[in-house]
Amino acid sequence: DVKVTQSSRYLVKRTGEKVFLECVQDMDHENMFWYRQDPGLGLRLIYFSYDVKMKEKGDIPEGYSVSREKKERFSLILESASTNQTSMYLCASSSRALDTQYFGPGTRLTVL
Amino acid sequence: QQQVKQSPQSLIVQKGGISIINCAYENTAFDYFPWYQQFPGKGPALLIAIRPDVSEKKEGRFTISFNKSAKQFSLHIMDSQPGDSATYFCAARSGGGADGLTFGKGTHLIIQP
Repeated sequence: DVKVTQSSRYLVKRTGEKVFLECVQDMDHENMFWYRQDPGLGLRLIYFSYDVKMKEKGDIPEGYSVSREKKERFSLILESASTNQTSMYLCASSSRALDTQYFGPGTRLTVL
Repeated sequence: QQQVKQSPQSLIVQKGGISIINCAYENTAFDYFPWYQQFPGKGPALLIAIRPDVSEKKEGRFTISFNKSAKQFSLHIMDSQPGDSATYFCAARSGGGADGLTFGKGTHLIIQP
């Protein structure tokens, strides 16, 4: 079974703090993704990576950066958290050979 | 600009009925169309997917109908059960598997017993 784990289920941070969200997958997948999910807006792609040290901007990259130093780990970084980044953050991974993206359980981030 | 439009936002169906969720897309480069199911507190999970070279795909009680000329696709859930109550997202992708998905806004489905 594919497993995508996210470091925290719930996180509360203050405005201006630097925030790290970690994602780890155990299936040797090449591709990894970060989405945010907001009520009434669905899931929106923030960043994705198709290989170690490679990254591509998604639809809403502003205010975020990512890091992929190891194949199994993909980190989302909020350099200076703002209240409009309060959201559910979902990590996903997929293999190069198949289409299916497997999602983690999500991290609900609240920025006060 | 929303590239995948999903309707309805919410849907209530009686047990045993047919649930139908519709999506329309604009980008003709999209070549992969999955449907994801999400239960509260969980991440989305792939339910069924289709490519535009076929007009229909069926897996158990779940069917995707695809109309390439109209740029529309839909999910039909036959014999809907209370356990099907969840949020459903359609999505689309162009290019290869390394690219991210563009999601619809979701449909909250409730199956009444």
